[in-house]
Amino acid sequence: GAVVSQHPSRVICKSGTSVKIECRSLDFQATTMFWYRQFPKQSLMLMATSNEGSKATYEQGVEKDKFLINHASLTLSTLTVTSAHPEDSSFYICSAIRSAGYNTDTQYFGPGTRLTVL
Amino acid sequence: TQLLEQSPQFLSIQEGENLTVYCNSSSVFSSLQWYRQEPGEGPVLLVTVVTGGEVKKLKRLTFQFGDARKDSSLHITAAQPGDTGLYLCAGPGHNQAGTALIFGKGTTLSVSS
Repeated sequence: GAVVSQHPSRVICKSGTSVKIECRSLDFQATTMFWYRQFPKQSLMLMATSNEGSKATYEQGVEKDKFLINHASLTLSTLTVTSAHPEDSSFYICSAIRSAGYNTDTQYFGPGTRLTVL
Repeated sequence: TQLLEQSPQFLSIQEGENLTVYCNSSSVFSSLQWYRQEPGEGPVLLVTVVTGGEVKKLKRLTFQFGDARKDSSLHITAAQPGDTGLYLCAGPGHNQAGTALIFGKGTTLSVSS
């Protein structure tokens, strides 16, 4: 149990276009989902925290108008990279915490989405 | 600012050797987690340590949480090529929303046969 999926797994787009990445909890409800970014040979950096039904909380230095997050249901959060540029090329990973009643210290990670902006 | 420092950054060893990687901080953590990440995949949780001085074993992997809960180590006995990957330590962080994890920079382990 506790499987998180991401779609797509890889995406290549042209500079200036927008890309949407989906993060789904397949067999549990997730009140909170997190979006991380990982550059090559570096660790995961938290971008934002997404709570179902409310606005996402962005970390310092992350542009909320560029990285749009929507958490419309307890099983789906989306990250849209708007007007993507080559410097946005990275590995984007989401994670999810089960809803109340479970150990909220445990995050379940998705397999990641490799974004390449040409 | 909470930081987790991992060492060494890179480690390349032969099959059968033992190794230890470290995760250190100047801050106290209520718990620390260890993950392994393979290229192109998300991190997979190996263990969570919560009590100072705690030792947990997972087959050939031994995890220890420091008495002061500021550091942790991962020891692998008789490493195998399948142990190759990026090992990350993580702990609860004081992010904007107060709930996420902060990660160390990781140790990239390569085990050759």
